[in-house]
Amino acid sequence: GAVVSQHPSWVICKSGTSVKIECRSLDFQATTMFWYRQFPKQSLMLMATSNEGSKATYEQGVEKDKFLINHASLTLSTLTVTSAHPEDSSFYICSARDDRGRGDEQFFGPGTRLTVL
Amino acid sequence: AQKVTQAQTEISVVEKEDVTLDCVYETRDTTYYLFWYKQPPSGELVFLIRRNSFDEQNEISGRYSWNFQKSTSSFNFTITASQVVDSAVYFCALSEARSNTGKLIFGQGTTLQVKP
Repeated sequence: GAVVSQHPSWVICKSGTSVKIECRSLDFQATTMFWYRQFPKQSLMLMATSNEGSKATYEQGVEKDKFLINHASLTLSTLTVTSAHPEDSSFYICSARDDRGRGDEQFFGPGTRLTVL
Repeated sequence: AQKVTQAQTEISVVEKEDVTLDCVYETRDTTYYLFWYKQPPSGELVFLIRRNSFDEQNEISGRYSWNFQKSTSSFNFTITASQVVDSAVYFCALSEARSNTGKLIFGQGTTLQVKP
């Protein structure tokens, strides 16, 4: 149980294009999901908290117009990197809180590796 | 402010050695949760342990053990008789209960290399 999937697992795109990453909780409902970014040899940095049916909460320094988050259902959150540039190349990881479980528990997806040429 | 510090950037050991990964945290909250995750080269985070602030009992799981000391704000992780498959990046993380946001603050990570 408690499986989170991400799609795609990797993507290469040209500079200026937009890329959408999906995060799905496969066997549980998740009102709250989180999006993290990890640059090579660095730690995970929280980008935003995604809440079903409401606007995402972005961390300081994260551009909400560049990283669009949509959490339209209890099992799906999407992150769209708009007008991607090489500096957006990173490993993007999502996590989800099980609505039935303890509030502190998060289940992580396998990550999406984005390369912007 | 909450913060997690993993002072050891990289550790290299020879197989079968014991190794301890340090984690020191800062928080003003009295109720909080501490975690350890393993990140192998594939990138997927593997959950290892969760500990709440009221439970200072040390835990052992196979070759893994954790030492939680509130007095020093530390939550150290020891691997006994290390194996090559233990090679990975290990992250310590903190979550505060009061805010109920579930946000995780990660340490910088420690890269462990176990040589045969």
